[in-house]
Amino acid sequence: AQSVTQLDSHVSVSEGTPVLLRCNYSSSYSPSLFWYVQHPNKGLQLLLKYTSAATLVKGINGFEAEFKKSETSFHLTKPSAHMSDAAEYFCVVSRPRTGNQFYFGTGTSLTVIP
Amino acid sequence: EAGVTQSPTHLIKTRGQQATLRCSPISGHTSVYWYQQALGLGLQFLLWYDEGEERNRGNFPPRFSGRQFPNYSSELNVNALELEDSALYLCASSLDYRGSNTIYFGEGSWLTVV
Repeated sequence: AQSVTQLDSHVSVSEGTPVLLRCNYSSSYSPSLFWYVQHPNKGLQLLLKYTSAATLVKGINGFEAEFKKSETSFHLTKPSAHMSDAAEYFCVVSRPRTGNQFYFGTGTSLTVIP
Repeated sequence: EAGVTQSPTHLIKTRGQQATLRCSPISGHTSVYWYQQALGLGLQFLLWYDEGEERNRGNFPPRFSGRQFPNYSSELNVNALELEDSALYLCASSLDYRGSNTIYFGEGSWLTVV
């Protein structure tokens, strides 16, 4: 079975400081992993995607995530937070070649303090 | 290239009425997904269509139904509306259901039941 756990429901950082949003997954197979961002009253936008190529994945807006199989983690990071990064972030796992079932984490709300 | 488009953007209905929401996937995408995002409940999977067939259904009552048309667009119908159906309804599409495809979201339709 597949599942994903976002370890923090809320994260608050100061502008210009690093961002770390944590995600652990469980999967019976080699998973595909995604991070999406949702700004207020908007749909979800794809930040980045891991599909068994490079373990360090670079996404849009300076975000990146590292796939660590031994730790079953896929944490999202950014070196320097910007005010525009304030949003809800979702970690998603899917099981490839089985029908594209997507499993969403419960989300992490990121607040950026000026 | 146009993204996933949803209509209407906002819809206000009275309890007991029916609501119809529409979704056009990205050109070339055959899979369409519907999610409900109610306040405080995260993303809940509703329905998944591919090639005109319902592939999977979330844990929602039968008054939530939908269909996919030959052009791969889709509509979601909610009958006998209840106050707790008030939510953002998100549609997403992917290339097809084989392999580790990415889903892309629309901006959503806000349904308010009064």
